Amino acid sequence: AQSVAQPEDQVNVAEGNPLTVKCTYSVSGNPYLFWYVQYPNRGLQFLLKYITGDNLVKGSYGFEAEFNKSQTSFHLKKPSALVSDSALYFCAVRGARLMNNNAGNMLTFGGGTRLMVKP
Amino acid sequence: DAGVIQSPRHEVTEMGQEVTLRCKPISGHNSLFWYRQTMMRGLELLIYFNNNVPIDDSGMPEDRFSAKMPNASFSTLKIQPSEPRDSAVYFCASSSGGSSRGTQYFGPGTRLTVL
Repeated sequence: AQSVAQPEDQVNVAEGNPLTVKCTYSVSGNPYLFWYVQYPNRGLQFLLKYITGDNLVKGSYGFEAEFNKSQTSFHLKKPSALVSDSALYFCAVRGARLMNNNAGNMLTFGGGTRLMVKP
Repeated sequence: DAGVIQSPRHEVTEMGQEVTLRCKPISGHNSLFWYRQTMMRGLELLIYFNNNVPIDDSGMPEDRFSAKMPNASFSTLKIQPSEPRDSAVYFCASSSGGSSRGTQYFGPGTRLTVL
């Protein structure tokens, strides 16, 4: 079984400050890890993913995420938050081993974290 | 690319009526997913197709829900009869193999209101 935990329902940050949205996961074997963002009245948009290689992954809109195998975490970060970053953020995981069968593309999503950036 | 296309974008219906939601995945993608999103339950996977074949429908709430994928470019999610508790935003997503394997691309969603 695989699972994702996003421990914070909401994160509040002042514009210009760094932001972190936390994600921890549980999966057998190596993980494929994803971050998605959802703006109001929109579908989820892919931000970035980790499959292998460098633990620091850079994505869209200046976001990055750091894979930490020992802590089974994949926290989303941005050095300087913008008001326009306010949205709902989802972390998702898939076990790499499972990528090779028919269910390979199925992701397990976390419950989401609402990011509020105040001017 | 047009992205994942869903129709209608909004649907308002009365309890007991049949509702059909439609999805056109990104061309070349071989996996298709239907999700439901509500404030109470968050994002739920309803059903997953791979190469037009249903792989996992364990998330389908009950027999009132059914989904089909008659070909690689079209899928439907049907609710019959609809109930007020079915009110939600329904998303379709697709993904492919290759270097982007695993990344799902979501449509804009269908906001369903059952009165």
